[in-house]
Amino acid sequence: SYELTQQPSLSVSPGQTASITCSGARLGDKFISWYQQKPGQSPIMVIYQDNKRPSGIPERFSASNSGNTATLTISGTQPLDEADYYCQTWDTNTVVFGGGTKLTVL
Amino acid sequence: QVQLQESGPGLVKPSETLSLTCTVSGFSITSTSYWGWVRQPPGKGLEWIASIHHSGNTHYNPSLKSRVTILVDSSKNDFSLRLTSVTAADTAVYYCTRQQASLETLASWGRGTQVTVSS
Repeated sequence: SYELTQQPSLSVSPGQTASITCSGARLGDKFISWYQQKPGQSPIMVIYQDNKRPSGIPERFSASNSGNTATLTISGTQPLDEADYYCQTWDTNTVVFGGGTKLTVL
Repeated sequence: QVQLQESGPGLVKPSETLSLTCTVSGFSITSTSYWGWVRQPPGKGLEWIASIHHSGNTHYNPSLKSRVTILVDSSKNDFSLRLTSVTAADTAVYYCTRQQASLETLASWGRGTQVTVSS
């Protein structure tokens, strides 16, 4: 079965750039989505089709996907961006999630 | 704006069947979208369970397929999940989702419902 690997945690200072990575075999050949989940809340989609932002998602969220790695970039990270982030793709008729990255902003 | 609301028992006994319903509002369940379920055990990550199209086309997580049934009721604009022979490992928050027709993205999520498996 297909697997997506994320770093478990990442810490950044406010105003810095946070880069969250997601790796998988030939991941660049698939579409990737990213979800943000704050404590006690349901996930929300922040990126779809590799690099598209849904309406209402701030421009500081951007993403790329090439080769075996997809990257979610948060520019000018704010304290309210502190959350768990999950990457996700569709492979062989299944939804696949990465294990999640806990982003701490301190 | 689509809204998804999960409902069902919050406590299920081991070996019994977990049954949940997701009521969809603001969006027709007979659209091109797929509708599905994702769960999250306490302190852990997201696990996809299954997805269904109103036509009846379904996709299942292979690790759960033998115990899962997903159904859609177009007349009620809702869909449901049945998970048989539950154990403590099935304790989780269960989310219902709307997937784009291309199946690549889970565009909308319900607020989730906690299900605990315990005697």
